[in-house]
Amino acid sequence: DIQMTQSPSSLSASVGDRVTITCRASQTIARYLNWYQQKPGKAPKVLISAASTLQSGVPSRFSGSGSGTDFTLTISSLQPEDFATYYCQQSSSTSYTFGQGTKVE
Amino acid sequence: QVQLQESGPGLVKPSETLSLTCTVSGVSISSHYWSWIRQPPGKGLEYIGDMYYTGSANNNPSLGSRVTISVDTSKNQFSLKLTSVTAADTAVYYCAGRRVVGGWLNYFEYWGQGIPVTVSS
Repeated sequence: DIQMTQSPSSLSASVGDRVTITCRASQTIARYLNWYQQKPGKAPKVLISAASTLQSGVPSRFSGSGSGTDFTLTISSLQPEDFATYYCQQSSSTSYTFGQGTKVE
Repeated sequence: QVQLQESGPGLVKPSETLSLTCTVSGVSISSHYWSWIRQPPGKGLEYIGDMYYTGSANNNPSLGSRVTISVDTSKNQFSLKLTSVTAADTAVYYCAGRRVVGGWLNYFEYWGQGIPVTVSS
């Protein structure tokens, strides 16, 4: 089973900050990596698929990079609506595992 | 627009079967894999399984044979049955549509609002 490990588990940031979240897979997953944003009491929303493809309607301040085992989600300038929990998720194996989440507060 | 709506009981007794249904509107049932994902209170997301309209299915090995997912194309619905539940199955259950395109694009595109389910006597 592929394990996904995010770091940090939480971070404190201010509006305008550049925020970086990392995700590491326990084995190589090529670019089968997606990022989701979840706000309290709401369903997750996909931000980025295939490691770096921005979903339609997602602001360009979000970007993703990486391949193999190491991936990064970057928010170039944090906005008030970006305070949320972020999850990575692999789609290389059919266990479709998620990382444990990173809370941006 | 695309909408997914979960329905089912919010309370299930231990050892019984949890049954949920998701109604899909605004998109063809043949366009996605139809998935169930859950989130225990205060915890992260866990993929349960999914099915394509053809009957092709994937299940999370950690849940073993307790999971059955079915798709009813005539009603634009899909369902989850989870047998022999325990308190560890208490969670918010989300239905979702997984999009698979060529290359590396394979992601949960659409989500329902989630339905909380508690396992308790």
